[in-house]
Order: sequence, then structure tokens, then C-alpha cells
Amino acid sequence: QLRLQESGPGLVKPSETLSLTCTVSGDSINSGSYYWGWIRQAPGKGLEWIGSVYYSGTTFYNPSLKSRVSISLDTSKNQFSLRLNSVSAAGTGTYYCARHGTVACDYWGQGTLVNVSS
Amino acid sequence: SSDLAQDPFVSVALGQTAKITCRGDSLRIYFPSWYQQKSGQAPILVYGKNNRPSGIPDRFSGSTSETTASLTVTGAQAEDEAVYFCSSRDSSGLHLLFGGGTKLTVL
Repeated sequence: QLRLQESGPGLVKPSETLSLTCTVSGDSINSGSYYWGWIRQAPGKGLEWIGSVYYSGTTFYNPSLKSRVSISLDTSKNQFSLRLNSVSAAGTGTYYCARHGTVACDYWGQGTLVNVSS
Repeated sequence: SSDLAQDPFVSVALGQTAKITCRGDSLRIYFPSWYQQKSGQAPILVYGKNNRPSGIPDRFSGSTSETTASLTVTGAQAEDEAVYFCSSRDSSGLHLLFGGGTKLTVL
């Protein structure tokens, strides 16, 4: 059974960099043609795709965040990571990692709450 | 438009049929996926690429016509009360999109 688990600081100061890691267990992240993505949800709001990394390492980002976001794979640790620069209060919310194919996100992490505040 | 539009609220009587819709130009090209999110929980996939994942009740079904996708819950149960999100690719095919979500209330 594939499992994804997010980890990282729960509090980030405005203008600083948000860094999260997703640890995958149950399968190798480069074993198939999957994307590994980050999705966030502001409190009481909908889902927003941040970006994804293909198993080959190719990345795709939400155009509205592209200038500030970086996603990378670490196959040696079976992890992938998110870095979001220059965060503001609007970045507060729950951050999920997920595996997806062309569209469907079939496995999700439980989510990690990040508060952007001084 | 590269957006996916959902009605914010749908209600259904217990045991009746609920239809949740999602509209977007990219649905002509890409299959939608549907997610159920209950309060305080991560979303789960309930329908994607014309099939249900293992463990999802067969009362959930999906369809697409032109630019409108639908998730139908036939014989809605109290435990189906949740927010449902649709998802697809944008017209470029490079980016994922999510609809704004539909809160399903089972009366």
C-alpha cells in the first residue's frame, strides 16, 4: 500500500521560504510513469495545485506561483520536496502531497498545516 | 477559459440521486477526476478516468458531455455529505486545475 507523509515547519515568517518534504513508502517514486505533486488548501477554501515533478525529474508549476516555487525529487531517499519563496499570509493553509497520473490523484498524504505569521 | 466551475451547494434527500457538475473547456480533451473531502480530512479520489477506485461504492458514477462533467450519487447516504472537487488539466495540458468545490448536503 502506497503511503505519503508530509513533513516540515508548521510556522514560517512572511517573506521567508516554505520548505516541505513528502516521504513515500510502499513503492519507489521512479518505478512508474507518475507525477508527484503538491496541492494546498487555504482555511475554508478550495484546492490549489502548486506543481508536480514527473518521475523523470521534469517539473510543472502553477503559472501563478511559477516564479517562486521549486519541486525536486530525491530518489535516494524516496522523497520529493517543495520550496516556495517569499511567502505571505496568503500561503497559510494545509499542504498536501499526492501521486497522480494524467489527472487523477490516487494517493494523498494526510496534509500538513503551515501558518505564515511573524 | 482555463477554469473549472462548480456550483457551490447541492442538496439531496436521503436515498435520492444527487448530480454534481463541473464545467470547463478543457473537459473536451481531458478526463475529469472527482474527489470527496470530509471535514478535517484529506481528499480522496472517488472517480477518475471513467472508473471508480477500489473501495468506492458503486453509487458513485461519472460522465462527461462536451465541456460539462458530472458526478452522480445514486441513492445518497448520510456519509456522502462532504465537499466534492473536480479536477482536470488545463487546455495546454501542462497544468492541473481544480474546481472550486461543491458542498453536498444529504437531508
